[in-house]
Amino acid sequence: AQSVTQLGSHVSVSEGALVLLRCNYSSSVPPYLFWYVQYPNQGLQLLLKYTTGATLVKGINGFEAEFKKSETSFHLTKPSAHMSDAAEYFCAVSDKTSYDKVIFGPGTSLSVIP
Amino acid sequence: GAVVSQHPSRVICKSGTSVKIECRSLDFQATTMFWYRQFPKQSLMLMATSNEGSKATYEQGVEKDKFLINHASLTLSTLTVTSAHPEDSSFYICSARKGSPAGNQPQHFGDGTRLSIL
Repeated sequence: AQSVTQLGSHVSVSEGALVLLRCNYSSSVPPYLFWYVQYPNQGLQLLLKYTTGATLVKGINGFEAEFKKSETSFHLTKPSAHMSDAAEYFCAVSDKTSYDKVIFGPGTSLSVIP
Repeated sequence: GAVVSQHPSRVICKSGTSVKIECRSLDFQATTMFWYRQFPKQSLMLMATSNEGSKATYEQGVEKDKFLINHASLTLSTLTVTSAHPEDSSFYICSARKGSPAGNQPQHFGDGTRLSIL
């Protein structure tokens, strides 16, 4: 069975500082991995995804994530935080055997301090 | 793009009322749509998978007679909360996926519906 853990339910960074949101997964087959962002009272917006190929994936809004199979991780980073990055971030996993079923992590709330 | 529209964005109604929520894919056809429920400060919980022209597949513990799902066309799925009670108050989010099921296609989400039952 697949699962996703996100270390740190809440992360605070200063504006301009590095953003690092951690995600670890478990999957018995090669995973497909996603990061979504959710602003208050809104749905989820896809930031980036990894399916196959290059393990460093670039997404929207300056975010990127690296798939590390040996560490079963898919951490999300951004070099310089903006105030507008404050939101809830969800890591998610699926695979070719699960078809449409996507397992979401518990989420990490990011605060950006001016 | 892949735009999913969800309506209404907020509903407040009395206990015992039935409430219908619509989810539309505006610029693509979605053979599969998904309905999630999200409690405050928590992750998304998949309620059911909605397939166009067939019965929805409900997750364990979700009452199919309570949460009626209809997916009559490739661009529209509806969730009806029947005889809603205060414990049904929650944030409901739909999503839709482009293409055939293969696990690697991302889901595109609506903006959610905040349901409050008095």
